Amino acid sequence: EPEVTQTPSHQVTQMGQEVILRCVPISNHLYFYWYRQILGQKVEFLVSFYNNEISEKSEIFDDQFSVERPDGSNFTLKIRSTKLEDSAMYFCAGSGQANTEAFFGQGTRLTVV
Amino acid sequence: QKEVEQNSGPLSVPEGAIASLNCTYSDRGSQSFFWYRQYSGKSPELIMSIYSNGDKEDGRFTAQLNKASQYVSLLIRDSQPSDSATYLCAVGSGNTGKLIFGQGTTLQVKP
Repeated sequence: EPEVTQTPSHQVTQMGQEVILRCVPISNHLYFYWYRQILGQKVEFLVSFYNNEISEKSEIFDDQFSVERPDGSNFTLKIRSTKLEDSAMYFCAGSGQANTEAFFGQGTRLTVV
Repeated sequence: QKEVEQNSGPLSVPEGAIASLNCTYSDRGSQSFFWYRQYSGKSPELIMSIYSNGDKEDGRFTAQLNKASQYVSLLIRDSQPSDSATYLCAVGSGNTGKLIFGQGTTLQVKP
């Protein structure tokens, strides 16, 4: 059964460093998303991506964040200068159509020290 | 601010009982509704989707939607200890398909 794959599973980085989180979505999905979940809190939407451009972003997704799908398969989230408060689980998700079932990757745990 | 509300629990039920999980949402225009299961430290796993008023059954799970009351529920029949997890209610919002999640309800099924 196809699945969304995220790498790495755990990333530790120093404050101020850049990180890139990677995702390989299910091949026939067209809509892609990043969510994050701070420990003990709810899953929060960061950004949606369709047709090679951002379709919506949340207030959390400020200038420090960027997404791209450079080669038609990998979908990446970059945080330019990490802060302590960026420590969270980051989930990639995808769906075939908007507002239909979305499937999540296993997540990347980002720890900023 | 569009909100999805769930009772955080924990909801404790004995093995074999029916577990009932509830969710309310604020955006009356929402059209898609989902239940995810999340084990501790893991990612959300989709278990049910529902798009129209009424009931939708899949195995031991039944999702119920009442758009007039802005209410979604999930029933788990014959609860098993392996059902112990946090259940997340998610509502599709807008044209991009983003999901707004509730806080989640922790379910404990006791043998």
